[in-house]
Amino acid sequence: ELKVEQNPLFLSMQEGKNYTIYCNYSTTSDRLYWYRQDPGKSLESLFVLLSNGAVKQEGRLMASLDTKARLSTLHITAAVHDLSATYFCAVDPSSYSGGGADGLTFGKGTHLIIQP
Amino acid sequence: DGGITQSPKYLFRKEGQNVTLSCEQNLNHDAMYWYRQDPGQGLRLIYYSQIVNDFQKGDIAEGYSVSREKKESFPLTVTSAQKNPTAFYLCASSIKGSYNSPLHFGNGTRLTVT
Repeated sequence: ELKVEQNPLFLSMQEGKNYTIYCNYSTTSDRLYWYRQDPGKSLESLFVLLSNGAVKQEGRLMASLDTKARLSTLHITAAVHDLSATYFCAVDPSSYSGGGADGLTFGKGTHLIIQP
Repeated sequence: DGGITQSPKYLFRKEGQNVTLSCEQNLNHDAMYWYRQDPGQGLRLIYYSQIVNDFQKGDIAEGYSVSREKKESFPLTVTSAQKNPTAFYLCASSIKGSYNSPLHFGNGTRLTVT
């Protein structure tokens, strides 16, 4: 059974600081996704990481994937209040088809609060 | 604009009643999914369907049923056999066979059963 673990689960940080969220998973996969969820809202896709060493950046967020270590990181640079949200990583356990055809397995999410 | 529509946004039911949650997409996606979200639990897969008239159980299918009669629609029925039905339910879709396609989510239905 695929397990996806995120840490930390809760993070309170100040604006302007840097921090990293970690996502570990238990079985071989080379497809990992990061999502953002605002309170009471749906999930918004942030990054799709498809191979070992993949790195994607969007604004103050940067995600990377190390398939050998079964680890992905989401790095926040110079945090701003608007980045306050819950961040989920999700792993595609299927060995074919792509696009999470058999459904993705999600971590429990990291609830991030950024204070002025 | 293309997207996924879930209705209703909020749903209240008495214990022992079956209830059906609607999910419609106009993205022309082949695959559709239902997830359940509980506080602090992340998302858990209930059912998914990769093609019309076919669907598979996810990790927590007990007490739920689905149908996929049309490509655009994937309704979820929460039956009276589901012991803890109160939760936030999210429907999603994706392009089957597309290696880099993430799941696209609807806005969710919050179900409260008393």
